[in-house]
Amino acid sequence: DTGVSQDPRHKITKRGQNVTFRCDPISEHNRLYWYRQTLGQGPEFLTYFQNEAQLEKSRLLSDRFSAERPKGSFSTLEIQRTEQGDSAMYLCASTAFGRHTQYFGPGTRLTVL
Amino acid sequence: AQTVTQSQPEMSVQEAETVTLSCTYDTSENNYYLFWYKQPPSRQMILVIRQEAYKQQNATENRFSVNFQKAAKSFSLKISDSQLGDTAMYFCAFRTETTSGTYKYIFGTGTRLKVLA
Repeated sequence: DTGVSQDPRHKITKRGQNVTFRCDPISEHNRLYWYRQTLGQGPEFLTYFQNEAQLEKSRLLSDRFSAERPKGSFSTLEIQRTEQGDSAMYLCASTAFGRHTQYFGPGTRLTVL
Repeated sequence: AQTVTQSQPEMSVQEAETVTLSCTYDTSENNYYLFWYKQPPSRQMILVIRQEAYKQQNATENRFSVNFQKAAKSFSLKISDSQLGDTAMYFCAFRTETTSGTYKYIFGTGTRLKVLA
């Protein structure tokens, strides 16, 4: 058990570019969450997967955002046509079935210039 | 709508002293879970302690304990014998069941705790 990992840890991009982040949850965890955290704030829920099914999406997740979890393993979060307001830390967390505690990854810090 | 409120943006405590961080929440649910997470500077978030709402007994994990007041919807964290390594952002979180039967977690805005040597 190596914990939740995220890649890349940092991403700097220019406005209008597309970016993709990856999250690898703890291997036996079937639930996966994406959050966005801006400076001085708590994590804000973006989306939730149970296995490969995306069961919940926040209204924060505009049509420029898309997330996938093929085969119920790793997940990707893509942001198209990035805007400066997308600059934030993107956190991934996973939970085992029947459990209540989330385990967080280190996050991907996105800076949009 | 469910909300989590942390009214103390920053706090400081002397090493070896005790400090209490406040959290209140709003929900109409009866069964739920509450959490305190710690986020050290430039490090990932880790669970400090968890409380099930159906349990009357307050949760304790070593130097960390909670004061859970269900009727008042209050969930404070007490850190005893504070250590320099306790310096971090502390987030209170609430797990809620959605209308689709899934779960999502709502976090407060955090309290920045600094332990002074």
